[in-house]
Amino acid sequence: AQSVTQPDIHITVSEGASLELRCNYSYGATPYLFWYVQSPGQGLQLLLKYFSGDTLVQGIKGFEAEFKRSQSSFNLRKPSVHWSDAAEYFCAVGALNTGNQFYFGTGTSLTVIP
Amino acid sequence: ETGVTQSPTHLIKTRGQQVTLRCSSQSGHNTVSWYQQALGQGPQFIFQYYREEENGRGNFPPRFSGLQFPNYSSELNVNALELDDSALYLCASSLGGGVLQGLYGYTFGSGTRLTVV
Repeated sequence: AQSVTQPDIHITVSEGASLELRCNYSYGATPYLFWYVQSPGQGLQLLLKYFSGDTLVQGIKGFEAEFKRSQSSFNLRKPSVHWSDAAEYFCAVGALNTGNQFYFGTGTSLTVIP
Repeated sequence: ETGVTQSPTHLIKTRGQQVTLRCSSQSGHNTVSWYQQALGQGPQFIFQYYREEENGRGNFPPRFSGLQFPNYSSELNVNALELDDSALYLCASSLGGGVLQGLYGYTFGSGTRLTVV
């Protein structure tokens, strides 16, 4: 069965510090991979996606992620975090034969301290 | 370009009642997916509608049903509400299912917060 693991439930970083959020998936075929961000009381906003091609993808708000097939990972990174980045981050996986559904991780809550 | 709009934003229902949630998809999107997000969890796929037909379903009982209209808007209906149905219900639109939603991803609405008491 497909699954997505976000090992870090909560991360705290200082403003200006670098950030890496981890995502591991369990799926046999080539997946579509996504990172979404959710602010309190809001829906999910797409940060970036991997469909095929270059395994390092750039997204909005200065985020990037790297698809590593050998490690079944799709970690999200940002070189310098801003206070406005505080939110919940979700990794999601889909594929052609998943019945049109995406599988989401349980999320990582990011706190940014001054 | 309008985004995905959902109504109502909040709703309180009593166990055993029925509820209808509504979603207008983003302009140009013909596919609508519904997700349930329980508190502290990631979204879980309920079902997807494409061209007014169900186009995939997650592990939810039949009392969760939906509709899609010719203008691509959609409804989620839940019968015989249970306390565990309390969650944020998210509607997501896309240019299609399968490869297209993989290529472009979803656009999510802000959700409907359903509380069952």
